[in-house]
Amino acid sequence: KAGVTQTPRYLIKTRGQQVTLSCSPISGHRSVSWYQQTPGQGLQFLFEYFSETQRNKGNFPGRFSGRQFSNSRSEMNVSTLELGDSALYLCASSRDTPRNSPLHFGNGTRLTVT
Amino acid sequence: AQSVTQLGSHVSVSEGALVLLRCNYSSSVPPYLFWYVQYPNQGLQLLLKYTSAATLVKGINGFEAEFKKSETSFHLTKPSAHMSDAAEYFCAVSDRGDDKIIFGKGTRLHILP
Repeated sequence: KAGVTQTPRYLIKTRGQQVTLSCSPISGHRSVSWYQQTPGQGLQFLFEYFSETQRNKGNFPGRFSGRQFSNSRSEMNVSTLELGDSALYLCASSRDTPRNSPLHFGNGTRLTVT
Repeated sequence: AQSVTQLGSHVSVSEGALVLLRCNYSSSVPPYLFWYVQYPNQGLQLLLKYTSAATLVKGINGFEAEFKKSETSFHLTKPSAHMSDAAEYFCAVSDRGDDKIIFGKGTRLHILP
């Protein structure tokens, strides 16, 4: 069974640009969660989608947005990039709600903003 | 807002010694609690979780964690450390009425030969 796939693996952008990250969950998983991982802050919750609906959102500015498609694939978008957005962005899928079924993480997209 | 605090960003233990990684949560109502592990160059994976069925929870690779409501703690232990346990460990929490998992900042475990 294929794991969670995130593309691209690496991205380099300049300040002010926007970026879209993609996540393909494990087949049959309906929930997708996104996290930002940085050395100082650990994993910070961005948002969680279930059956195309955003159910939860973390404390990130509106520049961070996401969506989920009918096939459960998800994308997140960051507009007007800032240097502080440089991080590893992790996507995780679960069969059901994350508190009831384990999160399966992808390898992440490493975003560098210059 | 629900949160977890992991004491010690780095912990070193000798091979064969007891592993103790500390986690405290903030909630007046016992939440769901988790430990995830991230081995080098791998994604995070679930080690164990607490959902109120039993206060002592056993996970994979010989790890276990005990839920203590009076101390709002969910510390992770393993009686005898192995070199392969070197990894980063994350404590996480979810409110019972919520669908998001909030992670602590992580503790990197180093195993000394």
